Amino acid sequence: KQEVTQIPAALSVPEGENLVLNCSFTDSAIYNLQWFRQDPGKGLTSLLLIQSSQREQTSGRLNASLDKSSGRSTLYIAASQPGDSATYLCAVRGGYQKVTFGTGTKLQVIP
Amino acid sequence: EAGVAQSPRYKIIEKRQSVAFWCNPISGHATLYWYQQILGQGPKLLIQFQNNGVVDDSQLPKDRFSAERLKGVDSTLKIQPAKLEDSAVYLCASSLAGSYEQYFGPGTRLTVT
Repeated sequence: KQEVTQIPAALSVPEGENLVLNCSFTDSAIYNLQWFRQDPGKGLTSLLLIQSSQREQTSGRLNASLDKSSGRSTLYIAASQPGDSATYLCAVRGGYQKVTFGTGTKLQVIP
Repeated sequence: EAGVAQSPRYKIIEKRQSVAFWCNPISGHATLYWYQQILGQGPKLLIQFQNNGVVDDSQLPKDRFSAERLKGVDSTLKIQPAKLEDSAVYLCASSLAGSYEQYFGPGTRLTVT
């Protein structure tokens, strides 16, 4: 059974700081990994999707990396802004296309 | 392009009552997902459809939950009878077949009293 862990559960940083969010998974036989942000009371917004054959994806100030062999992905946010405050979730698609989410990292960027 | 639509946005019911949620995916998206998200947790997949066929419903409590996608487009998730522990946000998502990049609706917040 796939287990997905996100550490830390919560993170508070000053505006302008670069930061890294972590996602670990137990079964390395995955098809892809997707990063989302979730604002309070709202649905999930897709940030980046990394296919199993890829090592990283970039979108603006965001960079996501994937190391299948070690069961890890990181989301790097450059020059953080207060608008980046949200909960960040990773989701792994594994065998039989089954999707498993992590519990998320709640990020607060302090002005 | 219109996003994933869900209704209602909020629902309050008493335990043992029944409730239904509706989802309309992005046009052309063959894959549709229902998730349950309990406060403070990540979403848990309840059921995944490919067109109108079920791909995975291993975590759907089938004694009380049911879902259908009759024409391969919109979908309904039903709970009957509801329990207190069903209080959660129910999220619907869709993706193109083969791409698997999921797009989520705003969710339905269910409170069972």
